[in-house]
Amino acid sequence: QVQLVESGGGVVQPGRSLRLSCAASGFTFSTYAINWVRQAPGKGLEWVARISNDGTNIYYADSVKGRFTISRDNSRNTLYLQMNSLRLEDTAIYYCARDNMGFDYWGQGALVTVSS
Amino acid sequence: QSLLTQPPSASGTPGQRVTISCSGSTSNIGSNYVYWYQQFPGTAPKLLIYRNNQRPPGVPDRFSGSKSGTSASLAISGLRSEDEADYYCSAWDDSLRGQVFGGGSRLTVL
Repeated sequence: QVQLVESGGGVVQPGRSLRLSCAASGFTFSTYAINWVRQAPGKGLEWVARISNDGTNIYYADSVKGRFTISRDNSRNTLYLQMNSLRLEDTAIYYCARDNMGFDYWGQGALVTVSS
Repeated sequence: QSLLTQPPSASGTPGQRVTISCSGSTSNIGSNYVYWYQQFPGTAPKLLIYRNNQRPPGVPDRFSGSKSGTSASLAISGLRSEDEADYYCSAWDDSLRGQVFGGGSRLTVL
C-alpha cells in the first residue's frame, strides 16, 4: 500500500535550519511529482513546494522562496525539504503529498516548531 | 488571506444537503481544475474530489463537486454526523505558479 512517512521535525530557534525527509513506499516513487504542504496550529492548509518526478521542475510558495529547498533522491525513494533561516511563522505540521490528479496520498505529518 | 475564498463555516441537519462554495479568479479556478479535501482533527487531509467533479475510489456519491467560471462548489447530500470535518478547495494558480488552498470551511452537523 502507498505510504509516505515524514521525519526530521522538531524544535528549532529562529534563524536556524532543519531538514525534513519523506520516505515513500508502495508505489513507483520516480513517476510522481510530490508536494510539501504545511498547516500552522489551528490554521488552514498552505502549499509550500512541488517537485516534478525527475526533479527538473520545482515551484515554491512566495512565503518560503529563497529559504526552503525541495529535492528528491529517486534511488532512495525519499523527498526532502531543507529549511533555512526559519521564522516563527514557519511553525506548522509539514505534510508530504503525492501529486496524482490531486494530492491523493498524504503522510502523517512532521511538526516543526520555531521558538526562541 | 487566501486567494480562494470559502465560508468559514457551514452546517446542516442529518439527511440535509449542504453546499460549500469556493470563489477564485481567472488565474486559478477560471483556468485550472479544482480539488476538494476533507480533514478531521489531528489527521492528514484526504482527497475528496479531483478535476472539478470526479470522486476517488471509496468516496461516497453523496459528495459531488462542480465548477462554473471562477467559482466552485462542494455538495454533500444525505448529511451524516461523520461528515463533520474541515473542507478545503484547491487549484493551481497560473500567476503565482503554485497551488493555492481556500481558507477552509468547518462543517457542523447539528
